[in-house]
Amino acid sequence: ETGVTQSPTHLIKTRGQQVTLRCSSQSGHNTVSWYQQALGQGPQFIFQYYREEENGRGNFPPRFSGLQFPNYSSELNVNALELDDSALYLCASSPSTGGFIYEQYFGPGTRLTVT
Amino acid sequence: AQSVTQLDSHVSVSEGTPVLLRCNYSSSYSPSLFWYVQHPNKGLQLLLKYTSAATLVKGINGFEAEFKKSETSFHLTKPSAHMSDAAEYFCVVTIHGSSNTGKLIFGQGTTLQVKP
Repeated sequence: ETGVTQSPTHLIKTRGQQVTLRCSSQSGHNTVSWYQQALGQGPQFIFQYYREEENGRGNFPPRFSGLQFPNYSSELNVNALELDDSALYLCASSPSTGGFIYEQYFGPGTRLTVT
Repeated sequence: AQSVTQLDSHVSVSEGTPVLLRCNYSSSYSPSLFWYVQHPNKGLQLLLKYTSAATLVKGINGFEAEFKKSETSFHLTKPSAHMSDAAEYFCVVTIHGSSNTGKLIFGQGTTLQVKP
């Protein structure tokens, strides 16, 4: 069974640029969530996708957007990058039964540095 | 609103001695609670979960946690620390029955140092 994978591992971008991060969910998982982890902090919920629809969003501006594809993989897009967007971005997948989601399984993350 | 508070930002123990990482939660709904571990430059690994079954939960690598509703606590314990336990530990709450079903709310983390 393949776990959650993310690409790329590391990324360096310039302020104002756009970035796309990718995530492949664990086999059989139909829900994907994205989290931002700033240095020395706990992860913060960005949004969640369930069956290709956004299913909840945290306190992040609209320049953070996402997609989920029919195979349940997902993308996180960030436009107009700011220095404070530098963080570890974590993707997590989970099985969902009747809309209830329990444990989430995390990928290794993408380290984004904005200069 | 749901939240978790990890009472210690840093815990230091000697190898072979017990570990106690403290967590209090606040939730308006029936919570599910988790502990995750993060080793340096790694993703998050699920240690254990509480989802309204047994209040004493056993996890991987010898860790346990006890859900105490009266104290709104979910402390993580291990009888004997190993050097490999040195990592960042996160207490996490999630909620059900709301529009953000499945949203994980993380504590600030506790750094566990294990001395030889």
